Amino acid sequence: KAGVTQTPRYLIKTRGQQVTLSCSPISGHRSVSWYQQTPGQGLQFLFEYFSETQRNKGNFPGRFSGRQFSNSRSEMNVSTLELGDSALYLCASSQTSGNSYEQYFGPGTRLTVT
Amino acid sequence: DQQVKQNSPSLSVQEGRISILNCDYTNSMFDYFLWYKKYPAEGPTFLISISSIKDKNEDGRFTVFLNKSAKHLSLHIVPSQPGDSAVYFCAASDNTDKLIFGTGTRLQVFP
Repeated sequence: KAGVTQTPRYLIKTRGQQVTLSCSPISGHRSVSWYQQTPGQGLQFLFEYFSETQRNKGNFPGRFSGRQFSNSRSEMNVSTLELGDSALYLCASSQTSGNSYEQYFGPGTRLTVT
Repeated sequence: DQQVKQNSPSLSVQEGRISILNCDYTNSMFDYFLWYKKYPAEGPTFLISISSIKDKNEDGRFTVFLNKSAKHLSLHIVPSQPGDSAVYFCAASDNTDKLIFGTGTRLQVFP
């Protein structure tokens, strides 16, 4: 099976712009979670989608949003980018919600905001 | 407020010796704990997990210990190998389908 894929791998944006990141889960996986990784903060949970519904949300401002499509692919959008949004954004998929303990991660999208 | 803490940002161990990575948590509702390993330019990969009903789980060279009363878990790698050099994250779940990660410990295994 192909692993979790994320596009693009690298992105440079300017403050105030918006960005959309994409994640394709492992085939058959219906749950997709998004995380932000920054130095010193570890991986912080953004949100989790299951069957096109947001099931869980972390403590991030409303500028961070996401959605999931019927084929389980997910997108994450960040509007009005700030310098502090520079980070590695990881998505992870798991087979079913409720058994998402073992999540499979993609390689991440490195976002740089200048 | 960091619910899962890894207080050692880095650890250096000689090849063949034991590596012990520590993790503390504050939320008593956590009932499942995991360790992930992350190489540069790759996403984290699942290593080993433990349920709160157990105090030890072993998988080859990797053993995770859980001390619920102390809200502490540790990952033992023995013997350590140079290929184990990576960043290790502990994570916890309270059965709400989200994982809370620690800040990571960079392990370096030298010859």
